Amino acid sequence: EVQLVESGGTVVQPGGSLRLSCAASGFAFDTFSMHWVRQRPGKGLEWVSLINRRADVAYYADSVKGRFIISRDNSENSLYLQMYSLTTDDTAVYYCAKEARGTQFVTFDFWGQGTLVTVSS
Amino acid sequence: QSALTQPASVSGSPGQSITISCTGTRSDVGTYNLLSWYQQRPGKAPRVLIYEVSKRPAGVSYRFSGSKSGNTASLTISGLQADDEGDYFCCSYAVSNTPIVVFGGGTRLTVL
Repeated sequence: EVQLVESGGTVVQPGGSLRLSCAASGFAFDTFSMHWVRQRPGKGLEWVSLINRRADVAYYADSVKGRFIISRDNSENSLYLQMYSLTTDDTAVYYCAKEARGTQFVTFDFWGQGTLVTVSS
Repeated sequence: QSALTQPASVSGSPGQSITISCTGTRSDVGTYNLLSWYQQRPGKAPRVLIYEVSKRPAGVSYRFSGSKSGNTASLTISGLQADDEGDYFCCSYAVSNTPIVVFGGGTRLTVL
């Protein structure tokens, strides 16, 4: 059974930093690209970042470029999102999502339950 | 890169069909067939309904279908059921300075 379990969400002050983790199991983690998608309270989905299976290619939404860094450790079946210079606009539930086999970029067949990041003073 | 445009809400009675539109530009929907649709129920993670414009993953009901014309993609739900209530999001590949992914703003479906 595929499982994605995010952790690391908490309350952080504006300007602060935070690292999210996503523990993957039930599939060959090192053969799939992985994504972070967020959802602000009561709002829609917003794509944040993706990393390819070899971790040598990463892309970011303009809203987080230069502040967030996506990474992965295939030996630990884990995905990470390091977030810097956080603002209240970054308050959201952050989901990790697995890209479906044989598709590119926009088909996510499994999602985690999400972890809530609250940026507040 | 702006979000794709979806109607904020749609409604229909059980048994009816409804269509949700998703309008982009030539930089995303109009050029690429990398477009998916997701259903999200309250408090839950999204679930993929349609990928690559019109393909249905295993386990998704035939009542869900997708299409595209020009810069606009559409999701049609036939034979509406109460269980279909929720939020629906389209999602497209796009190219800005680098490849990116863009979601629609979401459509709340109410089954009357």
